[in-house]
Amino acid sequence: GNSVTQMEGPVTLSEEAFLTINCTYTATGYPSLFWYVQYPGEGLQLLLKATKADDKGSNKGFEATYRKETTSFHLEKGSVQVSDSAVYFCALAQGGSEKLVFGKGTKLTVNP
Amino acid sequence: NAGVTQTPKFQVLKTGQSMTLQCAQDMNHEYMSWYRQDPGMGLRLIHYSVGAGITDQGEVPNGYNVSRSTTEDFPLRLLSAAPSQTSVYFCASSYASGEETQYFGPGTRLLVL
Repeated sequence: GNSVTQMEGPVTLSEEAFLTINCTYTATGYPSLFWYVQYPGEGLQLLLKATKADDKGSNKGFEATYRKETTSFHLEKGSVQVSDSAVYFCALAQGGSEKLVFGKGTKLTVNP
Repeated sequence: NAGVTQTPKFQVLKTGQSMTLQCAQDMNHEYMSWYRQDPGMGLRLIHYSVGAGITDQGEVPNGYNVSRSTTEDFPLRLLSAAPSQTSVYFCASSYASGEETQYFGPGTRLLVL
């Protein structure tokens, strides 16, 4: 079945550090890939998405590229801020479906 | 637009009690779903619906019932609560057009004693 594996946290960084959160997936066909973010005490919000191979999703300084050859969708940001402290979830949706399969989440803490 | 709303925010139940978690959206979305979030497990799909009158099971449906009598509402029912159902529950909605962005509610935290 479909699955998503993301790096385990927690991840603690200093402000302005470079961030990478790894995400790999297993799926049949060509899924769409997503990163969702959950700020403390809130629901999930879509951060970015990519729907086909080599697409790059970007938002709020975060980027992720859909790599079919390595079945990966790693999240990166060049300079994190304290306000980026949250839990980040990688997810996929199989072609034509709205059903999301989530990774376990990675908690990021950014210290001033 | 209020988006996706969920009530209550927090609930404590005793084992064997029943309750309904409410979810409503005002975006005219066809697709609605329920997830539970447990530490170290990510979010897991409980039930989903692609339109009024249509529901189906997700990954972890046991112990939960749903119905979809209107486009706006998608309640989740626990008929006989168990401690294993202690979790945070999220409702989500989207247009049913394939991999459309899903909008999540703020969540309901449930504690079953």
